[in-house]
Amino acid sequence: GPKVLQIPSHQIIDMGQMVTLNCDPVSNHLYFYWYKQILGQQMEFLVNFYNGKVMEKSKLFKDQFSVERPDGSYFTLKIQPTALEDSAVYFCASSLQDSDYTFGSGTRLLVI
Amino acid sequence: GDSVTQTEGQVTVSESKSLIINCTYSTTSIAYPNLFWYVRYPGEGLQLLLKVITAGQKGSSRGFEATYNKETTSFHLQKASVQESDSAVYYCALGDRDYGNEKITFGAGTKLTIKP
Repeated sequence: GPKVLQIPSHQIIDMGQMVTLNCDPVSNHLYFYWYKQILGQQMEFLVNFYNGKVMEKSKLFKDQFSVERPDGSYFTLKIQPTALEDSAVYFCASSLQDSDYTFGSGTRLLVI
Repeated sequence: GDSVTQTEGQVTVSESKSLIINCTYSTTSIAYPNLFWYVRYPGEGLQLLLKVITAGQKGSSRGFEATYNKETTSFHLQKASVQESDSAVYYCALGDRDYGNEKITFGAGTKLTIKP
């Protein structure tokens, strides 16, 4: 079936630097999401995005986080500056209005 | 807020034996949430295994079943006879909306290992 691709699959970055996680959603999907999973913990909702806007964000979505999807390209999650506690696997997902999510395989981010 | 609690950690079952992974939920955002089981096979992304949106209904897929029980707020995953290919991590989850923009709350995941 259609897939959500996440690039890169792994990223190591120095604390304080900026990182951008890229997500290529299913082509006709309209809703986009980021989830975060710290090692050994649950996947948790970060943010959802529709029609160029953030619709809802959780308390995990710190001021250092931002999302965008310029001109229908990648849906990105940017963290600037990164902190040690941002180390986690970040999952992107997309959906239509009445469809189920399609998840990507995740980007494993390590902040050192 | 919403929360999902499932059988914790790791479960090991012998091939052809039965399986149950427990899941209970609580929600303050919606009276009758959508309930899901997701699965992650080794090296793959998260996939929807089954979904039930109506209380009292049963969902099934690949030999797995789960019944939406609103009285006990449970959604246990069962399979009568497991296979080695069922080895994966299983996540119980609930969704808070009917249409689009659904926010999903996940359980912690249960790693299932099938012994040949």
